[in-house]
Amino acid sequence: EDQVTQSPEALRLQEGESSSLNCSYTVSGLRGLFWYRQDPGKGPEFLFTLYSAGEEKEKERLKATLTKKESFLHITAPKPEDSATYLCAVCGTSGSRLTFGEGTQLTVNP
Amino acid sequence: DTAVSQTPKYLVTQMGNDKSIKCEQNLGHDTMYWYKQDSKKFLKIMFSYNNKELIINETVPNRFSPKSPDKAHLNLHINSLELGDSAVYFCASSQWGGGAGMETQYFGPGTRLLVL
Repeated sequence: EDQVTQSPEALRLQEGESSSLNCSYTVSGLRGLFWYRQDPGKGPEFLFTLYSAGEEKEKERLKATLTKKESFLHITAPKPEDSATYLCAVCGTSGSRLTFGEGTQLTVNP
Repeated sequence: DTAVSQTPKYLVTQMGNDKSIKCEQNLGHDTMYWYKQDSKKFLKIMFSYNNKELIINETVPNRFSPKSPDKAHLNLHINSLELGDSAVYFCASSQWGGGAGMETQYFGPGTRLLVL
């Protein structure tokens, strides 16, 4: 069974203070790893898909990286509008569905 | 302009009642999903349909029955509601990529269900 663990559960940063969120996974054959952003009271919004170890993708202040066991979401010089819950999900070869982690709730204070 | 919409946004009801949640997408996607998000933000798939055909049916009580009248709509009917059904239910849609599960999913705003 595919499993995803995200850490930390919650993270508070000052505006401009860079940091990383972690997503550790176990999967029988990784097809892809997904990052989503979820704002309070809204549905998850797609950010990135990573397919193989060593791959990196960037979008504004966010950069996602992937190894064989984990993914990191690096946030550079965050702004208050980056505050949200960030969800990680994997899709493995054993099942045609996404398995989500519990998310990291990020708060960026001005 | 809404890509994936759900109604109602909030649903408060008594134990034992039957309720339905509706979902519509205007993205032209072939595949739609229902997810349940519990109080710990854990998002878990319940069902998926491709072009009105049931593809994924997770271990969900029989009280939950999805219905897809056409590929743009996927409704969720819940019989005999229980306290443990309280959660946020999200609908999502994606293109069909052969069933590998890799297609980007677009989520609706969620339906907050509270069973008293």
